[in-house]
Amino acid sequence: DAGVIQSPRHEVTEMGQEVTLRCKPISGHNSLFWYRQTMMRGLELLIYFNNNVPIDDSGMPEDRFSAKMPNASFSTLKIQPSEPRDSAVYFCATGTSGDPDTQYFGPGTRLTVL
Amino acid sequence: AQSVTQLDSHVSVSEGTPVLLRCNYSSSYSPSLFWYVQHPNKGLQLLLKYTSAATLVKGINGFEAEFKKSETSFHLTKPSAHMSDAAEYFCVVTFSGGYNKLIFGAGTRLAVHP
Repeated sequence: DAGVIQSPRHEVTEMGQEVTLRCKPISGHNSLFWYRQTMMRGLELLIYFNNNVPIDDSGMPEDRFSAKMPNASFSTLKIQPSEPRDSAVYFCATGTSGDPDTQYFGPGTRLTVL
Repeated sequence: AQSVTQLDSHVSVSEGTPVLLRCNYSSSYSPSLFWYVQHPNKGLQLLLKYTSAATLVKGINGFEAEFKKSETSFHLTKPSAHMSDAAEYFCVVTFSGGYNKLIFGAGTRLAVHP
């Protein structure tokens, strides 16, 4: 089992540029979560998908952030335009409806916006 | 509202000595509680979870935690620390708002010295 796959692992970009983070869930998992981790705010849930449908996006900080899940095998988190305060580690986690308490985390994408 | 408080931001122990990471929770009902571990530059991994069965929960790598309702605590322990235990540990509670949203504590960084 390859686990949750995230790409890229590291991203350095300049302020104002568009950034796209990618996630491939574990096969068979129908829940997908995007988190952001910073020193100041810890781990924050950004958005939750179930069966490819966004269920809770209350954690998305502002309109510059958008997330999609076009199919069960792929999700993206996009920031446009990016700002230095978006610098963080972004995690994707997935799970199943049969065990809703357990989430499996990817290795994360470390984003630096200059 | 559900929340968790990790009482120590940093804990330092010597290899071979016991580990105690403290967590208190706040919940208006019987919660599900978890401990996750994050090694440097890695994603989070589930250590153990409590879901109203046995109050003493055993996890991976020799860790265990005891749910004490009267103290609203869920402290993580290990009898003998190993160098590989050095990591950040997160106490987590679920929030039943239509789905099992995870609420993370601020984390405790465990250092293990030879």
